[in-house]
Amino acid sequence: DVKVTQSSRYLVKRTGEKVFLECVQDMDHENMFWYRQDPGLGLRLIYFSYDVKMKEKGDIPEGYSVSREKKERFSLILESASTNQTSMYLCASSPRDTLLTSQYFGPGTRLTVT
Amino acid sequence: AQTVTQSQPEMSVQEAETVTLSCTYDTSESDYYLFWYKQPPSRQMILVIRQEAYKQQNATENRFSVNFQKAAKSFSLKISDSQLGDAAMYFCAYTDGGATNKLIFGTGTLLAVQP
Repeated sequence: DVKVTQSSRYLVKRTGEKVFLECVQDMDHENMFWYRQDPGLGLRLIYFSYDVKMKEKGDIPEGYSVSREKKERFSLILESASTNQTSMYLCASSPRDTLLTSQYFGPGTRLTVT
Repeated sequence: AQTVTQSQPEMSVQEAETVTLSCTYDTSESDYYLFWYKQPPSRQMILVIRQEAYKQQNATENRFSVNFQKAAKSFSLKISDSQLGDAAMYFCAYTDGGATNKLIFGTGTLLAVQP
């Protein structure tokens, strides 16, 4: 089974802190994604990566950056956390060029910024 | 830009009954893929069912089936013989493909199953 893991299930940080959310997948997938999930807004794409060191902005990249130094790992970075970044963050991965294969999701990290 | 709309924020169904969750989408593409994902409380999101737009036949996975109306841009999910374990948030999602397989999600429908 495909496994996507995220470093923390729950995280509490203070305003202004630098925050790292880590995601690891074990299926050699080329594509990796970071989403933010908020009630009434669904999932919104923050950033995605289609290869090592490659990244593209999603729909809401402001206030976030990403890093992909190894194929299996995709990190989301909040340079200076703010209260409006309190949310559930979901990581996902998928193979390249395989539309019928869905994205595989991690368990999510619920981040609270105080 | 493509959009996905789920107009039912919450739904409720009695155990063993049938429920239909609605999803509409907007796209100018002719070839695309649609998905329903399930997110149980405090658990990982999983794929329930997928539909290729070029296929006229509606997809079915056990108790889950879809009603895909391409002209109307509608993609509803029917859950038959509802079980307590079906209680979850359900998301409709769209992709028109490309190498990155980007998904566009709806806002979700929270399904409660009453015993």
